[in-house]
Amino acid sequence: GQSLEQPSEVTAVEGAIVQINCTYQTSGFYGLSWYQQHDGGAPTFLSYNALDGLEETGRFSSFLSRSDSYGYLLLQELQMKDSASYFCAVAYSGNTPLVFGKGTRLSVIA
Amino acid sequence: SAVISQKPSRDICQRGTSLTIQCQVDSQVTMMFWYRQQPGQSLTLIATANQGSEATYESGFVIDKFPISRPNLTFSTLTVSNMSPEDSSIYLCSVPRHAEETQYFGPGTRLLVL
Repeated sequence: GQSLEQPSEVTAVEGAIVQINCTYQTSGFYGLSWYQQHDGGAPTFLSYNALDGLEETGRFSSFLSRSDSYGYLLLQELQMKDSASYFCAVAYSGNTPLVFGKGTRLSVIA
Repeated sequence: SAVISQKPSRDICQRGTSLTIQCQVDSQVTMMFWYRQQPGQSLTLIATANQGSEATYESGFVIDKFPISRPNLTFSTLTVSNMSPEDSSIYLCSVPRHAEETQYFGPGTRLLVL
């Protein structure tokens, strides 16, 4: 079946770098997406990897390795406002719904 | 980018009642998706709503409990019927984002059933 695994919680210090991993047991998907969700908010799109390699968007980068069934989200220069839940997700075509991982709750501490 | 609105943004309901959630998109889209997010959990797909056809429900979700309408290409409703406290969740609609194979989400409807 489709399965995306993420750590449930991560804590990091303000200004530091943190990596949130997503390992999966699925195949044939178009790409790996990352979403951020603050408490009480809706998921907001962060990054998407269609191809293997690193995608960089400001302080956020995302990586995909299909051969290793693995991806990660890298957050640099952490800020307190980055405290949120982060979800990896895959889609199997342009018009199919996303399948989400269980999410990682990131806590940024001073 | 698509702009999605949902009504109501939140509600508190009594068990046994029903609530209809509206989702409006600022552009025409073929497919809309409805998700549920229970407290502290990830997003779970309820159904896919295509304009002009019956919604397709995921395992564990049935039309009698979650009837969906899709009257045109910019609008959909999800009804949560005969509610129980276990239905307390955030309900989210989403549409495909074609620049990448991913989705835009609406702001969500926060439902508390007492």
